[in-house]
Amino acid sequence: AQSVTQLDSQVPVFEEAPVELRCNYSSSVSVYLFWYVQYPNQGLQLLLKYLSGSTLVKGINGFEAEFNKSQTSFHLRKPSVHISDTAEYFCAVSPPGGGGNKLTFGTGTQLKVEL
Amino acid sequence: NAGVTQTPKFRVLKTGQSMTLLCAQDMNHEYMYWYRQDPGMGLRLIHYSVGEGTTAKGEVPDGYNVSRLKKQNFLLGLESAAPSQTSVYFCASNRGTSGTEAFFGQGTRLTVV
Repeated sequence: AQSVTQLDSQVPVFEEAPVELRCNYSSSVSVYLFWYVQYPNQGLQLLLKYLSGSTLVKGINGFEAEFNKSQTSFHLRKPSVHISDTAEYFCAVSPPGGGGNKLTFGTGTQLKVEL
Repeated sequence: NAGVTQTPKFRVLKTGQSMTLLCAQDMNHEYMYWYRQDPGMGLRLIHYSVGEGTTAKGEVPDGYNVSRLKKQNFLLGLESAAPSQTSVYFCASNRGTSGTEAFFGQGTRLTVV
């Protein structure tokens, strides 16, 4: 079984400042890692994912994340945030190879960008 | 380009009533999922399907039933609604290949009074 921990439920940040949203996972097997974003009153959409290869992955809207196997982390970063980045961000894992591609989500981090 | 469409978007039920939530996808995806989203708990998987005619239980299946009679549709049923089922329900779909992106509907906000 897998689990995902997002320790920060809310992260306030000023516009144009950098931000890091933390994600740690636990699994007895290797996993695929994802970050999804949910804008108010909408469904989730994929920001980026790590399957294999380079541990630094780049996604949409200027976001990137780094996979750290030894620390079982997959933190999301953006060097300069915009008001439009205000949303809830979910880290998720799924088992590779079968298992129905089921996603296990963290509890989410609300990013609030202020002027 | 509809993607994943959920019907209805909002619903209020009385305790004990039944209802069915419909999810339709037009991307010819093999896999479909129903999640519920509750404050501070993220999204939890209720049931999923890996193909037409198949269903399986997720993390929180109690009180729900599902059916996938057609590849493009995945129905979630509540036979006797309870206040604990007040939540936002999301349907998602993806291709059968590992690690592929899941596409989500816009959600159904259900209140059970």
